[in-house]
Amino acid sequence: AQKVTQAQTEISVVEKEDVTLDCVYETRDTTYYLFWYKQPPSGELVFLIRRNSFDEQNEISGRYSWNFQKSTSSFNFTITASQVVDSAVYFCALSVGYGGSQGNLIFGKGTKLSVKP
Amino acid sequence: GAVVSQHPSWVICKSGTSVKIECRSLDFQATTMFWYRQFPKQSLMLMATSNEGSKATYEQGVEKDKFLINHASLTLSTLTVTSAHPEDSSFYICSARVGTGTGELFFGEGSRLTVL
Repeated sequence: AQKVTQAQTEISVVEKEDVTLDCVYETRDTTYYLFWYKQPPSGELVFLIRRNSFDEQNEISGRYSWNFQKSTSSFNFTITASQVVDSAVYFCALSVGYGGSQGNLIFGKGTKLSVKP
Repeated sequence: GAVVSQHPSWVICKSGTSVKIECRSLDFQATTMFWYRQFPKQSLMLMATSNEGSKATYEQGVEKDKFLINHASLTLSTLTVTSAHPEDSSFYICSARVGTGTGELFFGEGSRLTVL
């Protein structure tokens, strides 16, 4: 069975602090995709990143960076120099296999990040 | 990125009525769309997978007669909550896959349903 665990329910930081959101996944499939989404208070899901299981390279996009480690089944997300606008619920998700009905996403429970000025 | 639009964004209805939520891919064709449900302060749970021109595949525990899904074209999938009750109140989000296989998923803005 597949599972995504986001152990941190809520995190509160002060602006300009760095913050890391943890994500641990479980799957027996060798082909899978990992995602991070941001859900601001307005509700829509904002796509942040997709990483496939064959690409363990870390990625940096502006203030965002992701650390994918297959050895620990983790896909952690770091925001450097956090800003108030980063306040949202962040979801880590897993998709296994290729295409069709196997492409649905299994979401973690989310981490609510509050960045205070 | 690609745009997925949901309508209505919020709806209030009386218990016993039916409500239809539309999910449209505005600038791409989506062979597969997914419907999720999110309770307050909780994660998203997949309800069903909708494939154009065929019957939807429902997840275990989701009543197919209660949540009717129709994917009549490559740009439109609809979710109809039939005979809605207060416990159906929730945030419903659709996502659409660009192309097939490993195409990227894009999410709609969500539809908040409140059943009185």
